[in-house]
Amino acid sequence: GAVVSQHPSWVICKSGTSVKIECRSLDFQATTMFWYRQFPKQSLMLMATSNEGSKATYEQGVEKDKFLINHASLTLSTLTVTSAHPEDSSFYICSATPRTGVGETQYFGPGTRLLVL
Amino acid sequence: QQQVKQSPQSLIVQKGGISIINCAYENTAFDYFPWYQQFPGKGPALLIAIRPDVSEKKEGRFTISFNKSAKQFSLHIMDSQPGDSATYFCAAAFTGGGNKLTFGTGTQLKVEL
Repeated sequence: GAVVSQHPSWVICKSGTSVKIECRSLDFQATTMFWYRQFPKQSLMLMATSNEGSKATYEQGVEKDKFLINHASLTLSTLTVTSAHPEDSSFYICSATPRTGVGETQYFGPGTRLLVL
Repeated sequence: QQQVKQSPQSLIVQKGGISIINCAYENTAFDYFPWYQQFPGKGPALLIAIRPDVSEKKEGRFTISFNKSAKQFSLHIMDSQPGDSATYFCAAAFTGGGNKLTFGTGTQLKVEL
């Protein structure tokens, strides 16, 4: 089956620093990648949609200058949390899909747990 | 109107029993309804999905029942096993929506021996 990896799996950083999270599709080309955020015992909230070679589309309420997304290739998207603060601590999950039509399966990564001290 | 309501929030089922999780939606444009399973510290994994042109879909022990008129769909896990203990999310998407998923609030299932 299709595999999506994320790196790192967990990260601890100091308040004010920036953190980069990588999302890779290992065995398929991902036309579209999605970034989600999940707080403990809560649902997944879509942050942004990224397509290779174009600017990411952010959901309402998500600060695009704080959460920088780069989809540089068909197998790699990165999320950079800039000037992280404790309230940014969360579980960040990416997903990737080889095609953009509705119903095309999204393959999720294992997630990255971010703790900002 | 983009919300997907899910119930119950948590569920305890005896081994061998049937687990039932329900979801309801308002947006009639939704035309794709997947269910995801998530274990602690892991990303969600697709279990089964349905389109509104069928009322039921079965894959192994997992069945989706879909009621278009009531705008409701449910997941049934037959012969529930301790290994099924996880959080389950329903979701919905619509054609033209860029395959964006709207997730339900999740159900924490525990299957006891």
